[in-house]
Amino acid sequence: QKEVEQNSGPLSVPEGAIASLNCTYSDRGSQSFFWYRQYSGKSPELIMFIYSNGDKEDGRFTAQLNKASQYVSLLIRDSQPSDSATYLCAVLAYSGAGSYQLTFGKGTKLSVIP
Amino acid sequence: GAGVSQSPSNKVTEKGKDVELRCDPISGHTALYWYRQSLGQGLEFLIYFQGNSAPDKSGLPSDRFSAERTGGSVSTLTIQRTQQEDSAVYLCASSLTTDTQYFGPGTRLTVL
Repeated sequence: QKEVEQNSGPLSVPEGAIASLNCTYSDRGSQSFFWYRQYSGKSPELIMFIYSNGDKEDGRFTAQLNKASQYVSLLIRDSQPSDSATYLCAVLAYSGAGSYQLTFGKGTKLSVIP
Repeated sequence: GAGVSQSPSNKVTEKGKDVELRCDPISGHTALYWYRQSLGQGLEFLIYFQGNSAPDKSGLPSDRFSAERTGGSVSTLTIQRTQQEDSAVYLCASSLTTDTQYFGPGTRLTVL
């Protein structure tokens, strides 16, 4: 059973601070890692993906991957109230049933306080 | 171009009735996925299509659930004899490759 674990939060940070969101996964064969943002009542939208160990930066967002520790994180710099949402970590691995399956964590709720 | 669309956006039905949920993926996307999201829960994988075939049906919760995809495009998820525990948001996603998935707005199903 592939598992993706996230702290459910809520994680509260003041406006302008760095928000750090963490995720661990169980399947060492996982190949790709994704962060989705989901506003209340809306569908998930892709923020970033990362394949290789290390950091990947895109604007205010940085994804970090450590395959040895089976750990992936998302840093949001200069957090804004509009960043308040639930952040879903998703991990892609071969499902053994002829497809690659994306397994989602339950998400971390982030609240940015003005 | 247009994103993934789903219909209806909301569906209220009575226990025991059948429902059909529709997904229209991004044009050209060969892979299509159905997920279910219950209140306070993560996304639960249901089924995956590559073209018109479904190599992975492992997530379908019971034989009351079925899905098909025709013409490599539109997909329909059918739930027969709905139960109250089927109430959830049903999300469809599509992708061009095996990884980056783009989600539709979802169908909120309520079974009374």
